[in-house]
Amino acid sequence: EAGVAQSPRYKIIEKRQSVAFWCNPISGHATLYWYQQILGQGPKLLIQFQNNGVVDDSQLPKDRFSAERLKGVDSTLKIQPAKLEDSAVYLCASSFWGGGRETQYFGPGTRLLVL
Amino acid sequence: AQSVTQLDSQVPVFEEAPVELRCNYSSSVSVYLFWYVQYPNQGLQLLLKYLSGSTLVKGINGFEAEFNKSQTSFHLRKPSVHISDTAEYFCAVILNTGNQFYFGTGTSLTVIP
Repeated sequence: EAGVAQSPRYKIIEKRQSVAFWCNPISGHATLYWYQQILGQGPKLLIQFQNNGVVDDSQLPKDRFSAERLKGVDSTLKIQPAKLEDSAVYLCASSFWGGGRETQYFGPGTRLLVL
Repeated sequence: AQSVTQLDSQVPVFEEAPVELRCNYSSSVSVYLFWYVQYPNQGLQLLLKYLSGSTLVKGINGFEAEFNKSQTSFHLRKPSVHISDTAEYFCAVILNTGNQFYFGTGTSLTVIP
């Protein structure tokens, strides 16, 4: 079974530039999550999708971050414009239907450095 | 409010020695508990989880954890570590009524040859 795919693996940009990350979840998984993991911290949930609808985006900085999952499969997370404090690893995860008892499967992450 | 505390940010241990990584949580409702491992430059991988039933949970790679409700703890243990266990370990909780993970800050386990 193929795992969660993310691209790119690494990205370096200057502040105020824009950047986009892509995630393809495990086939058949209805729920998709984006996390931000700052160095030395645990992952923090940014947004959760159930199919193509948003379940939770309470911790997404909506003035600069946006995400979409138009067809309920793959997803894109965008930052525009980027700030220095956005330097982090962005993890995508998926689960079958999103219940609390379920295991989330994580991708390898995209490491972003904002200069 | 929910929170997860991992008391040790770094744990060095000699190969074949036992190890315990500590995790405490606070929550006003029942929770499910998880331990994830993150190897360098990789995503998180589930080690084990407690949902209900027996408080001693066995996971992959010889790890186990014990849920202690009175102490609100879910410590991770392994009787004999290997070099390959060197990684970052994250404890996480999720409310039994919700679906959002709350992760601890992680414990970096370094196994010394």
